[in-house]
Amino acid sequence: GEDVEQSLFLSVREGDSSVINCTYTDSSSTYLYWYKQEPGAGLQLLTYIFSNMDMKQDQRLTVLLNKKDKHLSLRIADTQTGDSAIYFCAESIIKASGGSYIPTFGRGTSLIVHP
Amino acid sequence: DAGVIQSPRHEVTEMGQEVTLRCKPISGHNSLFWYRQTMMRGLELLIYFNNNVPIDDSGMPEDRFSAKMPNASFSTLKIQPSEPRDSAVYFCASYRGTGELFFGEGSRLTVL
Repeated sequence: GEDVEQSLFLSVREGDSSVINCTYTDSSSTYLYWYKQEPGAGLQLLTYIFSNMDMKQDQRLTVLLNKKDKHLSLRIADTQTGDSAIYFCAESIIKASGGSYIPTFGRGTSLIVHP
Repeated sequence: DAGVIQSPRHEVTEMGQEVTLRCKPISGHNSLFWYRQTMMRGLELLIYFNNNVPIDDSGMPEDRFSAKMPNASFSTLKIQPSEPRDSAVYFCASYRGTGELFFGEGSRLTVL
């Protein structure tokens, strides 16, 4: 199975909160990330959380990490049409040998915001 | 800072032709990644380089694919011969060690 799993689609109404969920398998992940991909563009880092944190808030974004269940979520408050995009969860492990960083991405969740 | 620059943005070619995709990473970044994105498989890591040296190419689909990084400011991904199933968006990303990957805008390849 995949290392990082996400649901493929989420549809919400403008102004509501969106919650995008992700599960990962590697308990030694040191960083967990959310990237955003707008149509026709590459991925851009949205936010990240260190594995020793439970929560991180940044304006309308709230990231929750449950290490016991290996579950990561991204909550977007007051979702706007401009938030429509694909959201990728990613985990990374800093390798002991040379410090290589190899991110593993989920397949992405397409967030559709309708009026 | 110009960001990661990829070319071409779009390429349409016929089956059997050689395709070369190019990437210029951000200056000072010491790692470079090539990804492929399709609806069926999502985002797949093809190969990555550290300090211009290929580290892991286990994601390269088959011998038709090859990648090079002759210097710190340039990398190519070549497909020869191309097949319709290679149609995808190919992304290059660079990394400087702070935890964030910087992606280019991608090269959309269509093989007829």
